[in-house]
Amino acid sequence: SQTIHQWPATLVQPVGSPLSLECTVEGTSNPNLYWYRQAAGRGLQLLFYSVGIGQISSEVPQNLSASRPQDRQFILSSKKLLLSDSGFYLCAWSRAGAGQPQHFGDGTRLSIL
Amino acid sequence: KNEVEQSPQNLTAQEGEFITINCSYSVGISALHWLQQHPGGGIVSLFMLSSGKKKHGRLIATINIQEKHSSLHITASHPRDSAVYICAVIGGGSNYKLTFGKGTLLTVNP
Repeated sequence: SQTIHQWPATLVQPVGSPLSLECTVEGTSNPNLYWYRQAAGRGLQLLFYSVGIGQISSEVPQNLSASRPQDRQFILSSKKLLLSDSGFYLCAWSRAGAGQPQHFGDGTRLSIL
Repeated sequence: KNEVEQSPQNLTAQEGEFITINCSYSVGISALHWLQQHPGGGIVSLFMLSSGKKKHGRLIATINIQEKHSSLHITASHPRDSAVYICAVIGGGSNYKLTFGKGTLLTVNP
């Protein structure tokens, strides 16, 4: 069966520090991968998605970047965090192809001080 | 106006009651998800549907493509059903992008 792992579960970082959140998927190959953010009091928003190694699509301009160095690894990064980067970050995967159901990780709660 | 609107925003029920959460969307879609988010934040996909009706245990989801409307029903509600329920659609010109409603906070009291 397929599993998705996301870490860390919680993170407290100072403004201006770098960020690296990692997500890995097991039990499937060539998945579509997604990073979402849920800011306080707001709905989920798609940040990035990837349909293959090295292929990243960005949905909203922001202070973050994503990379996919391996087939089942998706990394969310920032060089210098802003206060507005605080929120709940979720990684998800789906099978390749359009309209497939998405499966979510447990999320990372990021607090910027 | 959001592309995906949910109602109600908050819902409090007594154990055993029948619950309905509604979702309306304004774009053409290929599929609609109902998701459940517990207080810790993790999200579980309950249903993905593109037509008709699906049932899983006490949960039932329906969709009317012509009316651009979906409902999630919970029969014989239980305190463990307390969570945020989120409607999300795939469509609007994208085959990958999920557009989310803001969620419905359900509290079921014993």
